[in-house]
Amino acid sequence: DAKTTQPPSMDCAEGRAANLPCNHSTISGNEYVYWYRQIHSQGPQYIIHGLKNNETNEMASLIITEDRKSSTLILPHATLRDTAVYYCIVSAGAGSYQLTFGKGTKLSVIP
Amino acid sequence: ETGVTQSPTHLIKTRGQQVTLRCSSQSGHNTVSWYQQALGQGPQFIFQYYREEENGRGNFPPRFSGLQFPNYSSELNVNALELDDSALYLCASSLGRGVGANVLTFGAGSRLTVL
Repeated sequence: DAKTTQPPSMDCAEGRAANLPCNHSTISGNEYVYWYRQIHSQGPQYIIHGLKNNETNEMASLIITEDRKSSTLILPHATLRDTAVYYCIVSAGAGSYQLTFGKGTKLSVIP
Repeated sequence: ETGVTQSPTHLIKTRGQQVTLRCSSQSGHNTVSWYQQALGQGPQFIFQYYREEENGRGNFPPRFSGLQFPNYSSELNVNALELDDSALYLCASSLGRGVGANVLTFGAGSRLTVL
């Protein structure tokens, strides 16, 4: 699986949009971008994934650059409950059996 | 729809002992993965089971073994415990082996301390 690079930490004011970047310059054509988050003392939680088109669900939006070498997870209106470690992972779809987690980005939402 | 449940939530063992951790999959899921998360690190893949067969394994020694049962629940067994085995053990379930297999539902984990 391709590797990802994320900033170790970020702050965001409550109610503002949180934009979490991820670089994956060695991503292959068949690899998807997945985002998970882990709130303290809980298991990771799936957020969203995409291949090359932008994706949106009830939790977040995923913006993938045209060359697919980077992406941004957007939480449109951050709340205190969004404080967590956010993991960006690239993995092939069919045939892939593991996710390789890095250290992620610790997002702190500030009142 | 029930989520992933793990037991026990916390346990303490001594070096050299054996431990069994249990996991019930989310309803409708047929794939189970196990991850180890050391303090301050991201989860590390141990292995995955699909329909009762091992479908992939990470860089863990053979003393880490597992089972998946016909109801898709699973066990993780660790023999000859070492101090470095102290970690949070996470079970995750998913559906199939395609793109959806990487959309994991995680349990809250079992916190193992080895003394």
